[in-house]
Amino acid sequence: GEDVEQSLFLSVREGDSSVINCTYTDSSSTYLYWYKQEPGAGLQLLTYIFSNMDMKQDQRLTVLLNKKDKHLSLRIADTQTGDSAIYFCAESKGGGFKTIFGAGTRLFVKA
Amino acid sequence: EADIYQTPRYLVIGTGKKITLECSQTMGHDKMYWYQQDPGMELHLIHYSYGVNSTEKGDLSSESTVSRIRTEHFPLTLESARPSHTSQYLCASKGASNTEAFFGQGTRLTVV
Repeated sequence: GEDVEQSLFLSVREGDSSVINCTYTDSSSTYLYWYKQEPGAGLQLLTYIFSNMDMKQDQRLTVLLNKKDKHLSLRIADTQTGDSAIYFCAESKGGGFKTIFGAGTRLFVKA
Repeated sequence: EADIYQTPRYLVIGTGKKITLECSQTMGHDKMYWYQQDPGMELHLIHYSYGVNSTEKGDLSSESTVSRIRTEHFPLTLESARPSHTSQYLCASKGASNTEAFFGQGTRLTVV
């Protein structure tokens, strides 16, 4: 079946890099996503990567995909206190009707 | 900014009551979804819709029902609320791009 797993908590110091990891089980996944949820708000798409890509960089965000190990990571460079939030990993197949989410990783950024 | 809205934001209701959680989007998206999120747990898909008059059950069994009479609205109904229904319910929609899903702010439901 489809499953997405990620660790629940990560704590970093302001200015350090954060790396949030995710594993998924469905090898036919086409799109892999990172969503951010701030307190009291809905989920907001941060970035996504197609399964035929290994890496995607967008300003402070770097997504790495290891399709063989079904492992996805999100690196946030120069982490700021405003990056404190819950980060959800998600995957969907082509057509994208169903998106399967992990439990979310709560990122704490210490000043 | 995403134009998808959920009401109410918070609801505390007694056991046995019938409730409807509203979700509306103004983006003309065909695909809409309801997810249930317990604290520290995955978002579980409970219902989705491909378009008007189309509804499907998701991966997590739910006692709720949905309807899709209009593109903009995807309400979720619980005929008889129970404490086990206490959770956060997130509505989302997706357009033709099939990439980004836009989420509402969620409804936090507490059944006492």
